[in-house]
Amino acid sequence: QQQVKQSPQSLIVQKGGISIINCAYENTAFDYFPWYQQFPGKGPALLIAIRPDVSEKKEGRFTISFNKSAKQFSLHIMDSQPGDSATYFCAAAGANSKLTFGKGITLSVRP
Amino acid sequence: DAGITQSPRHKVTETGTPVTLRCHQTENHRYMYWYRQDPGHGLRLIHYSYGVKDTDKGEVSDGYSVSRSKTEDFLLTLESATSSQTSVYFCAISEFTDINSPLHFGNGTRLTVT
Repeated sequence: QQQVKQSPQSLIVQKGGISIINCAYENTAFDYFPWYQQFPGKGPALLIAIRPDVSEKKEGRFTISFNKSAKQFSLHIMDSQPGDSATYFCAAAGANSKLTFGKGITLSVRP
Repeated sequence: DAGITQSPRHKVTETGTPVTLRCHQTENHRYMYWYRQDPGHGLRLIHYSYGVKDTDKGEVSDGYSVSRSKTEDFLLTLESATSSQTSVYFCAISEFTDINSPLHFGNGTRLTVT
């Protein structure tokens, strides 16, 4: 059973556009929701994370929106740039559980 | 980049042979992890360690063993490699185990089992 589901599977966005990646989770005990970014040939790196006590967190062009009742959270990339082209993983964890990752989504930002 | 070195970076091996992948860290972090990354599956935890000689299984541990004799080194062994173990393997470290301690990943080892 996949506990963290990402959508869409891939995304193509024009430069300057908004990229939106969605994630849904099953386990209501999860209380930490990070996004990891991975460039080709590299390991994933933490991009931004949120706790359920807030509905939104913004860091530069990256924003996480969190909907606890729907058990969903999303990553918004404003003014998308070709350098944002990467694979993005959502993940979730609880106090007594290790991080569970989604399958990942490949984002391509066209010049 | 966090001080994590994985070796080798690439390896091709034959079915049935044992293979050992190494992860070396210079951060003195207590927690170390091995993940595999496969298309359509994302990142899945194989084994992790919470200290020297203290290890535990992850969600996909069958066919794998680990050892940690020093804080800085975490070894992953495929006891008898199979084609289903063809994957990219990532080592990760964290300072603490709680959710406020992010994972730092190495750059991976691409393993092909023929």
